Amino acid sequence: EADIYQTPRYLVIGTGKKITLECSQTMGHDKMYWYQQDPGMELHLIHYSYGVNSTEKGDLSSESTVSRIRTEHFPLTLESARPSHTSQYLCASSVGGGVYGYTFGSGTRLTVV
Amino acid sequence: GEDVEQSLFLSVREGDSSVINCTYTDSSSTYLYWYKQEPGAGLQLLTYIFSNMDMKQDQRLTVLLNKKDKHLSLRIADTQTGDSAIYFCADTGSARQLTFGSGTQLTVLP
Repeated sequence: EADIYQTPRYLVIGTGKKITLECSQTMGHDKMYWYQQDPGMELHLIHYSYGVNSTEKGDLSSESTVSRIRTEHFPLTLESARPSHTSQYLCASSVGGGVYGYTFGSGTRLTVV
Repeated sequence: GEDVEQSLFLSVREGDSSVINCTYTDSSSTYLYWYKQEPGAGLQLLTYIFSNMDMKQDQRLTVLLNKKDKHLSLRIADTQTGDSAIYFCADTGSARQLTFGSGTQLTVLP
């Protein structure tokens, strides 16, 4: 049973719209991450947070922004969606690796038309 | 930076063993992981191995670690159609985040 929840699962939206992808976890993990996944499978880290009010950009440049006002919540926002933003977005959380690794949400499949 | 590489595709017959390979570059890795991703889902942690271990077995899964060659493998015994998925290796390295491989698509043929 997933302890990290992403909504919506699927989203089709028009170009120029503002969207927020939600991610919440009930495990009390300090660390949270957003990945963008290509159709070709590869995962790209776009944002991460090590605690409340702490956010960093990842390896892949992204036009999205994130916030971390509460431990359990790590939403990702696109101010103006474009077709190039079409992708699968995966949220994850961790206590810092170790034997538990990361726990992933089920993902949001975003299509911008 | 850290680099983790996997072959992209593997096909096996149902009942055979599957071996998925991974190489990494950062010798300071503490834990190495295998994740499974089924269609339309997130990644699920399958198993992990601590860097001071050579082998770990968990039911049908066997993980082998060769630190000298920086090579990690996942063997799935008696592969079933339900094992068809994408498999990612990942390691901690010296970075504070996990570095993931590009994923191996395993197809199990009847």
